[in-house]
Amino acid sequence: EIVLTQSPDSLSLSPGEGVILSCRASQSVGTSVAWYQLKRGQAPRLLIYDASTRATGIPARFSGSGSGTDFTLTISSLEPEDFAVYYCQQCEDWPPLTFGGGTHMEI
Amino acid sequence: EVQLVESGGGLAQPGWSLRLSCVASGFKFEDYDIHWVRQVPGKGLEWVSVISWNSVSIYYADSVEGRFTIYRDNDQYSMYLQMNSLRTEDTGLYYCATTLRRCPRGRCYQTNYFVNWGRGTLVTVSS
Repeated sequence: EIVLTQSPDSLSLSPGEGVILSCRASQSVGTSVAWYQLKRGQAPRLLIYDASTRATGIPARFSGSGSGTDFTLTISSLEPEDFAVYYCQQCEDWPPLTFGGGTHMEI
Repeated sequence: EVQLVESGGGLAQPGWSLRLSCVASGFKFEDYDIHWVRQVPGKGLEWVSVISWNSVSIYYADSVEGRFTIYRDNDQYSMYLQMNSLRTEDTGLYYCATTLRRCPRGRCYQTNYFVNWGRGTLVTVSS
């Protein structure tokens, strides 16, 4: 099973700031990585897939990069609605499909 | 508009059973594999199971293998998760989800990126 480790676990930021979230895989997953945003009471939202492709309707302030074992999600300038929990996921080697432990972002 | 609506969650004691349902609308259900993913308190997201569009391929996470059964009814645009021998660690918010479909040169296949999700149904297992 491929283990994904996200860092940091949590962080406090202000609107307008930029942030880089990290996701590290226990073995190479190529570029088969996605990022999701979760907010309480809402359906999770796919942000990025194939490590760097923005999903439909996702603002340009969200970008992803990486390959192999190291991946990042960058939010260039935080909007108030961006404060949420973010998860990475790999689909290179499954079952099982696996997720990272999440990064909690709060104001 | 694609919509997935989960139901069937609730409070159960260890060893009990629950059946979750996922009703879909807004897309051609029979063309899509459907997954269950759960959000476990304090542990994040965990993939649970998948059933292929034609029910031929089914996979489970090791943590639920032998206790949970996934099945679907394409005519009813519905998918189900029968959960037996529930454990306290099965507590969580259960989502059904479809994945991103690609159609290069007219031949379509599904990725394992979750593009459409429901809002989830809460399962609490406690004595």
